[in-house]
Amino acid sequence: EVQLVESGGGLVQPGRSLRLSCAASGFTFDDYTMHWVRQTPGKGLEWVSGMTWASDKIAYADSVKGRFTLSRDNAKNSLFLQMNRLRAEDTALYYCVKDRASRYNSNWFFGVDVWGQGTTVIVSS
Amino acid sequence: DIQMTQSPPSLSASVGDRVTITCQASQDIKYYLNWYQQKPGKAPKLLIYAASNVETGVPSRFRGSGSGTHFTFTISSLQPEDFATYYCEQYDNLPLTFGGGTKVEVK
Repeated sequence: EVQLVESGGGLVQPGRSLRLSCAASGFTFDDYTMHWVRQTPGKGLEWVSGMTWASDKIAYADSVKGRFTLSRDNAKNSLFLQMNRLRAEDTALYYCVKDRASRYNSNWFFGVDVWGQGTTVIVSS
Repeated sequence: DIQMTQSPPSLSASVGDRVTITCQASQDIKYYLNWYQQKPGKAPKLLIYAASNVETGVPSRFRGSGSGTHFTFTISSLQPEDFATYYCEQYDNLPLTFGGGTKVEVK
């Protein structure tokens, strides 16, 4: 069974940092593109960042560019999101998600097919 | 960014009803569209990929159609477990973008 388990969320003050982790199992992690997507009641679902299986293509939403850094450790089947200079508007439920695109596809993203249960980030003083 | 306009934002329906939700893209996304179901407190679940392909294990009452800028999601006969919120997602271009959701409620 494909599983994605997020951790690392919590309450943090504005301007501080947080690192989210995602542990993947049930599929060949180092074959697939992975992303983070966040959800809030007000803004709905918002894509945050994504990267290829080889980490050779990485993209960020404009709202987090320069503050967030995406990385992965294929040997440990793990995805990470380093979030710096956090703002109140970063408050959300953060999902680790798997893309349908693998190393065998011509395009590096084909839409999300599996979601973790999410980890909550609250940015507040 | 590609804007996804989903309608209606909510609807009330009864078990057995046919339910239709639409998603309009701000530009041509070919068939690069997914549909998800989300229940309270749970993560979204993929139902339809590439506009019209039913994900493995998903009941056949769920259908998707469309291409270009206009897409339709249909539940042919609403079941009690189908009361949930549904979202579309385009993956023609980054950033991936989602519709605002349609909450299907009990009439």
